[in-house]
Amino acid sequence: AQKVTQAQTEISVVEKEDVTLDCVYETRDTTYYLFWYKQPPSGELVFLIRRNSFDEQNEISGRYSWNFQKSTSSFNFTITASQVVDSAVYFCALSESDMRFGAGTRLTVKP
Amino acid sequence: NAGVTQTPKFQVLKTGQSMTLQCAQDMNHEYMSWYRQDPGMGLRLIHYSVGAGITDQGEVPNGYNVSRSTTEDFPLRLLSAAPSQTSVYFCASSYNGGRSYEQYFGPGTRLTVT
Repeated sequence: AQKVTQAQTEISVVEKEDVTLDCVYETRDTTYYLFWYKQPPSGELVFLIRRNSFDEQNEISGRYSWNFQKSTSSFNFTITASQVVDSAVYFCALSESDMRFGAGTRLTVKP
Repeated sequence: NAGVTQTPKFQVLKTGQSMTLQCAQDMNHEYMSWYRQDPGMGLRLIHYSVGAGITDQGEVPNGYNVSRSTTEDFPLRLLSAAPSQTSVYFCASSYNGGRSYEQYFGPGTRLTVT
């Protein structure tokens, strides 16, 4: 069965610090998809990135970067030079036949 | 495009009452799903549908029913509400079977069962 583990329940950093959110997954499929979503205090869920199991290239989008390593079943998310607006709950998700989410990591960025 | 809409935004029920949470999307997405969000547990899949007339159970289906008579609508029915069903409910849709495409989420329904 598919499973996503986000071991960090809460993280607090000071603005401009770099922060990495960990995501470890379990799956028996060879073809699967990984996602990150952001849930700001307003409550909506915002899609950030999708990665398929055959593409292990790291991705960078502005201050955001993602490190996908099949060898360790991890899909970690790094925010560089964090800002107060990055404060949110971040969810990692794994999709096989349906999408399952991790428990989320609450990131607080203090000014 | 309105995207994914959910009604109501807030609801208070008494134990034993039934109700239907509405979800609609105007993106012609085949795949729709319902999640509940509880503190510390992330989003848990209740039911999903890969197309009109087809539904299936997720992780936590007990106490909930769904149907999918049209592509656009995917209502979630609580048969006999219990306090354990107090939660925030999100409806989502995606282009195909939810496997490879990102899901678009509605704004959520906050349900309290007393």
